[in-house]
Parts: sequence; structure tokens; C-alpha cells
Amino acid sequence: QSVLTQPPSASGTPGQRVTISCSGGSFNIGSNLVHWYQQFPGTAPKLLIYSNYQRPSGVPDRFSGSKSGTSASLAISGLQSQDEADYFCAAWDDSLNGVLFGGGTKLTVL
Amino acid sequence: QIQLQQSGPGLVKPSQTLSLTCVISGDSVSSNSAAWNWIRQSPSRGLEWLGRTYYRSRWYDDYPLSVKSRVKINPDTSKNQISLHLSSVTPDDTAVYYCARDRSRGGWYFDLWGRGTLVTVSS
Repeated sequence: QSVLTQPPSASGTPGQRVTISCSGGSFNIGSNLVHWYQQFPGTAPKLLIYSNYQRPSGVPDRFSGSKSGTSASLAISGLQSQDEADYFCAAWDDSLNGVLFGGGTKLTVL
Repeated sequence: QIQLQQSGPGLVKPSQTLSLTCVISGDSVSSNSAAWNWIRQSPSRGLEWLGRTYYRSRWYDDYPLSVKSRVKINPDTSKNQISLHLSSVTPDDTAVYYCARDRSRGGWYFDLWGRGTLVTVSS
């Protein structure tokens, strides 16, 4: 079981703004950087946001990340059909001495 | 082009050792700015970090407590690759296994992934 909690699903219509939450604790999100990955079926995860809000080269600025206390959020604005994928948060956990991943959120574009 | 090419058996018997390799192209396993990781994904366990190896004047490795007693990640500088060995496997170890690069120097994020290898543990 993951100690980074994400909603299992989220949805929106094209053009909308959607947010996906990631809730943790003091030993992970509360004291370490949060990262987000995007995964399409049958493919490997792809780094989407790193260090709370940074975007790797090539990631559209429609994707943004934020962190407050022991929670983090991924926001997608101007939702497009190609954004339909699974999204995972991740952070180092000082008590478990390892990287933790959230359970993932399946985003549906209606 | 930087890429990670994975290989290994897709079927392993219970109690045996699961072994996979990840050949690194376009980067060096001995890079002082990278760490090389294994991560697995299954419907029951989600994404799970299995450990890493990296070179900083000497070789280091780190593993999570959950699998530390069963896992070993080895670098091979002659072939520019890493390998994963997971012993005493059970059906619960059935998953897609990924190798991944971390160049964050303490940020713990993975910017390059292999394509994944589905490993089924079954007799």
C-alpha cells in the first residue's frame, strides 16, 4: 500500500483545468521534493514535473506542480484528449529510506 | 540517443532468483552525476522502487527496507550496464520491471526509463 494518497480517478472536458492531489506525511512530502510522472498504457512512466514545480524540457507549460505542507498538486490547464493517462506522484521517504510512489490517478478526458 | 535497453526472462519459478539486465547507451554507468535504478510496477503493489547503484569515486548501492534482504543491483563497467537480482521470488513479485536513471543528485527523480520487462513468477 502506498502512503502517498491520490484519488483513483479524475476527469474533465477539453479546455478545462483539472487538478490531481497527492497527500503524504512529514517524512515524505513534508520534508522532501515531490515529482510527477505521466504514463500511457503499455509504456514506461515519463517524468512530467520534478522538484515540486519544475518542468523538464519539452513538457508544455499547461502542466504545473505545487506543494504545501504535506500535500502536493498537479494542475493541467487547457485539457486535451492526449492528456488522458495515468499520473503518479513520488517523493523520498525518510522513515522508509526509499522512494515512494502514489497509487496513481487515471485521468479521463470526456 | 540516450536509451536503456532491458533484457531478461519473462518467466521465473517460485523460490528462484529473478535476474534482469539494463544496457545503457549514450551515458555511462560510471557517471559521477547519475544513479541507476530498478523500479517495478504491478496492479497490486503499484510502482515500487527496488534500489540503485552509483559511482562517486567508488561504488555505492541503496535499497529500501522492504526488499533489502533479497535484492542486489550490480554495475558492469565493461558492458556499460546494470543488473538486478531478486532472490526467493514468489508470485507477488510478478510485475513489470523498469530500469531508470536519476541525475538529480539527491532529488530522487527519474528522467530516463527503460521500456520495461514483464516478469511472471509461476511454476
